[in-house]
Amino acid sequence: AQSVTQLGSHVSVSEGALVLLRCNYSSSVPPYLFWYVQYPNQGLQLLLKYTSAATLVKGINGFEAEFKKSETSFHLTKPSAHMSDAAEYFCAVSPFTGGGNKLTFGTGTQLKVEL
Amino acid sequence: DAGITQSPRHKVTETGTPVTLRCHQTENHRYMYWYRQDPGHGLRLIHYSYGVKDTDKGEVSDGYSVSRSKTEDFLLTLESATSSQTSVYFCAIRRESHEQYFGPGTRLTVT
Repeated sequence: AQSVTQLGSHVSVSEGALVLLRCNYSSSVPPYLFWYVQYPNQGLQLLLKYTSAATLVKGINGFEAEFKKSETSFHLTKPSAHMSDAAEYFCAVSPFTGGGNKLTFGTGTQLKVEL
Repeated sequence: DAGITQSPRHKVTETGTPVTLRCHQTENHRYMYWYRQDPGHGLRLIHYSYGVKDTDKGEVSDGYSVSRSKTEDFLLTLESATSSQTSVYFCAIRRESHEQYFGPGTRLTVT
């Protein structure tokens, strides 16, 4: 069984401030972990993925995430927020093997960027 | 762009009518998925396919059926639509590197 918890359904930051979106996972087997972004009325776009090659993962648009096994966390960060980062962000987990590689999503975090 | 299209993009239908949503891919991927997105729930898996004529249920499969007669097409059918099936439906494919790529979505309203 696997699950994802995203702490904070809404996060607000000032432009230029650090962005931190939290994700904790539960998985009975080694996981793949993903962050997706969804802009209004659009589909989901892959930001980055963890597949056990490196614990610090860099993605698109200046985002990165660090896999911490001891904390079962995969938090998403960006050093300096931009207005264009305003969107909904989803963390997702899938098993390393088997199970159809089904993705289990968190409930999402809406990021607001203020001037 | 993962070459995924969904049709229709918007549909309004009445309770009790059958509805079929289509997902089409151009890259010949083995795995395809149907999700629904609802506020406060994120995306939830309805059904998935791991090859032609090979499908399995996801966590919210009740009231839905799927078919895959060709690699490129994955159909989702609501046999008798209900208001609780009003949602945005996303199709996805899985690449060999394990990440999933999503189509643009279908907004379905059941009145």
